[in-house]
Amino acid sequence: DIQMTQSPSTLSASVGDRVTITCRASQSISSWLAWYQQKPGKAPKLLIYKASSLESGVPSRFSGSGSGTEFTLTISSLQPDDFATYYCQQYNSYFGPGTKVDIK
Amino acid sequence: QVQLVQSGAEVKKPGASVKVSCKASGYTFTSYGISWVRQAPGQGLEWMGWISAYNGNTNYAQKLQGRVTMTTDTSTSTAYMELRSLRSDDTAVYYCARWREGDIDYWGQGTLVTVSS
Repeated sequence: DIQMTQSPSTLSASVGDRVTITCRASQSISSWLAWYQQKPGKAPKLLIYKASSLESGVPSRFSGSGSGTEFTLTISSLQPDDFATYYCQQYNSYFGPGTKVDIK
Repeated sequence: QVQLVQSGAEVKKPGASVKVSCKASGYTFTSYGISWVRQAPGQGLEWMGWISAYNGNTNYAQKLQGRVTMTTDTSTSTAYMELRSLRSDDTAVYYCARWREGDIDYWGQGTLVTVSS
C-alpha cells in the first residue's frame, strides 16, 4: 500500500497569512490526489481534485500543486472560516493523517 | 440538490454486526459510486472502500477485508455498509460519500457506531 504523510501536523497562523501544507506519497501517484477541509463535528468538504483543480464553489484563495510524490495545498490569505483540519487523499485509497490549522 | 442521508446511531456489543444505510437523492444514483469513510473519536479519516452503483464492483481497504461488505439497492438509491465481528476500536463516525471514480464530492451526515460491552 502507498503511504501518505502530511506536514506539519499542526500549524498556527493569523488571518491574512499565506499557509502551505505538504502531502507526500511513498511512491508516485501521478496527479491522483484530493484535498479536503474538515471542521469539528462536520463532514469533510472537497477543496481540490486531481492535485490542482479547484472544486466548484471553493474560494480561489485555495490552490493545489504537485505531482508524483509531493503535493502542496496553499491558502493565499487565511480567513477566519479556514481554521480547520486539512486532509490529503490518494484517489480511491488512504488519507493523510491531517494538518490542523489553528489561530496563532 | 445532492443529498446523502444516513441511518441513525447504533450501539453494538463486541462480536456483533452493524449495517449502516445511506439514501441518495438529487442525482442519478448509478452514475456514481459510494465510498465509505470512518473517523474514530479525535482521530483522522480512514478510507474503508468504495462500491460502484453502476455494476456493484467493490474495493475494500486491506485491513477490513473479510469483515466489511458494501452493497447497493438501485431501486431505492440506497447504499449499505455492513461491518462484522465488531471490536471496541471500530467505534467511530461512519460516513458515506458520493464517489466519482477517485475523489469524493458529497458526504452524508455521519452515523455514530459505538461498540461497547
